[in-house]
Amino acid sequence: AQSVTQPDIHITVSEGASLELRCNYSYGATPYLFWYVQSPGQGLQLLLKYFSGDTLVQGIKGFEAEFKRSQSSFNLRKPSVHWSDAAEYFCAVGAYGGGGSNYKLTFGKGTLLTVNP
Amino acid sequence: DSGVTQTPKHLITATGQRVTLRCSPRSGDLSVYWYQQSLDQGLQFLIQYYNGEERAKGNILERFSAQQFPDLHSELNLSSLELGDSALYFCASSVADSGETQYFGPGTRLLVL
Repeated sequence: AQSVTQPDIHITVSEGASLELRCNYSYGATPYLFWYVQSPGQGLQLLLKYFSGDTLVQGIKGFEAEFKRSQSSFNLRKPSVHWSDAAEYFCAVGAYGGGGSNYKLTFGKGTLLTVNP
Repeated sequence: DSGVTQTPKHLITATGQRVTLRCSPRSGDLSVYWYQQSLDQGLQFLIQYYNGEERAKGNILERFSAQQFPDLHSELNLSSLELGDSALYFCASSVADSGETQYFGPGTRLLVL
C-alpha cells in the first residue's frame, strides 16, 4: 500500500521569502501525485498534479512541484511567498493497491505554513 | 469554488444520535468520495461511489453508511454517534472511477456533544 510523508509539521517563512515544502511517498511504481491547500475553515483546493511527462509541474497561485523518482519525492515550491499563502498544505498519492484493488488517494499529515509580515 | 457542494456546513448533535450529510458532485462527475478529517487521524478515506454503486471502501465504521442516488448526489449517514466522531467530513468528486483528480467540497463540521 502507498504512504505519504510530509516531514515538516509547521514551517514559518517571511513574506517575500522562497518556500519549499517536502513530500516523500512510498509506492512500487510511479503514482499520481497531488498537492492540495486548505485555508482555515475551508475545503481542499487542488494546487497542482503530476501524472506523467515533464517532472516539473506548474500549478495555480505561482506554485510548482518537482517529481524526483530517485528520491521518491514531490516537493512543492514557490519563489516568493505572499501573506495569503498561509494555510495547510497536503501532499497526496493516488495509486492502485495490490492484487488489483481499487484506486485510492492517500494524504500526508499536512504542513502548516505561517507567513510573517 | 470547486463545484462540489455539501450541506449542512455545521452540525451539532448529541451522542447516540444519527445524522445525514449531503453532497452534490460537480456537474458531469460520476464518482463521489467521502473523507473524514480529524486532528489525530488526519484525512482518512471512507468510501467511494461510482454511478450509484459502491466502488471502494476505506476506514469506514460499521455505524456509518453511504449511498449515491440516481441524480448522483450522495448522502453519508452516521449513526450511534460518539464523541470521537466529531470531525470535518469532506466529499470529493471526479469524472471517472479511478486515476482521476478529485475535487473537494467545503466540508461539514460535525460536533458531537
